[in-house]
Order: sequence, then C-alpha cells, then structure tokens
Amino acid sequence: GQNIDQPTEMTATEGAIVQINCTYQTSGFNGLFWYQQHAGEAPTFLSYNVLDGLEEKGRFSSFLSRSKGYSYLLLKELQMKDSASYLCAVRGGFSMNRDDKIIFGKGTRLHILP
Amino acid sequence: GAVVSQHPSWVICKSGTSVKIECRSLDFQATTMFWYRQFPKQSLMLMATSNEGSKATYEQGVEKDKFLINHASLTLSTLTVTSAHPEDSSFYICSARDVGSYEQYFGPGTRLTVT
Repeated sequence: GQNIDQPTEMTATEGAIVQINCTYQTSGFNGLFWYQQHAGEAPTFLSYNVLDGLEEKGRFSSFLSRSKGYSYLLLKELQMKDSASYLCAVRGGFSMNRDDKIIFGKGTRLHILP
Repeated sequence: GAVVSQHPSWVICKSGTSVKIECRSLDFQATTMFWYRQFPKQSLMLMATSNEGSKATYEQGVEKDKFLINHASLTLSTLTVTSAHPEDSSFYICSARDVGSYEQYFGPGTRLTVT
C-alpha cells in the first residue's frame, strides 16, 4: 500500500527556522509536492521535487532523497502568516492502470508563536 | 496562472437529496481532474480520478453509485453526491492537471452540509 508519514503538529517561534520531515513508501514515484493549507481553504502549491537535492524558493526550501524515501520542507524567517498545515504529497502511478495521481500525507499543523 | 473554480462554494441540503458540485478549469484544458474529500483537521483523501471522455477511476472504499462523476469536457468535471447523508458532510476539493504539466491546480473547495 501507500504510506506517507509526517509529524502531526509542530511549534516554532516567529523569525526562527523550522524543518518539516516527510517519509514515504509508495509503489510508484514521479515526484513529491509540498502544499500549504490554511484552515477552510484549498491547498496552495509550494514546491515540487522529482530529482534528489535541494530546491530553494525564497524563504521556503524543499529537499528530496529518493533512495531514502525522504523529503523535508524548510521554512526560514518564520512569519505569523506561516501558521498553517503543510501537506506532503507523492505523485506516481500507484495502480494497475497507472493513474498518475497525487496522494497526500495527513499534514503537519505548524503553530507560530510570537 | 492556472485557475480552477468550483461551484457552489458552500451548500446545505436535506438528507436524501442529491447535490451537484462543478469543477472548471478557467484558462487551461484539463484532461484529468481529481476529486478529494477532507474532514476537519484531516488531510485530503482522494476519491476518484476523472478523465475526459471516459469513466472515472474510484479509490478503494468510495461508492461509485453514490458519488457520480462526469467529465464531459476538457474544462468541466462534476461530482454528484446522491442520496446525501449527514456523514457526507465534508469539504470537497477538486484539482485539475494541465496537459503536459506535472502540477495540479486546486479549486477553492465546496463545503457540503447535510442536515
């Protein structure tokens, strides 16, 4: 089956750095996404990794190691508006008909303290 | 950027009735659309993959006769919740993939409340 694990909740301080880890075990892999979701809203795209290594985009960076089934999202210079859920999601052909769909982890709720 | 809309944004219906939710890609063509359901404080659960011009592929445990999906054009997919029950109350989100793109663009979601 498909399994994507990430911590349920994390707390960090405004201005600090936080790293949210994600491990996955899936039958297929065509890339890993990170999404941000505020309560009551749809997810918004943050990053996409398909090759090993670090992708940096402003205050946010995402890392992928395919051999280890591991990714992390790094958030720098935290702001209060960063309080949200962060969803790790894997794209791949998981079924016999090889639908290229995205499966989400349970999400990490990040609380930012002033 | 690519925009996906959903209609309605929220709906309240009585138990036993049917509700239709529309998902539209406004500025791109989407051969594939996805329907997700999200309960409070939980992650998105994929319900089905909708391919234009063919039958939808449902995830295990999702009743295809209860959640009817129609992807009649490259810009529109609909989800009909039939004979709704209070336990169907949830946040329903669609996403659409642009032809040749890796990214899925999410709609704003539809909050369904069944009384």
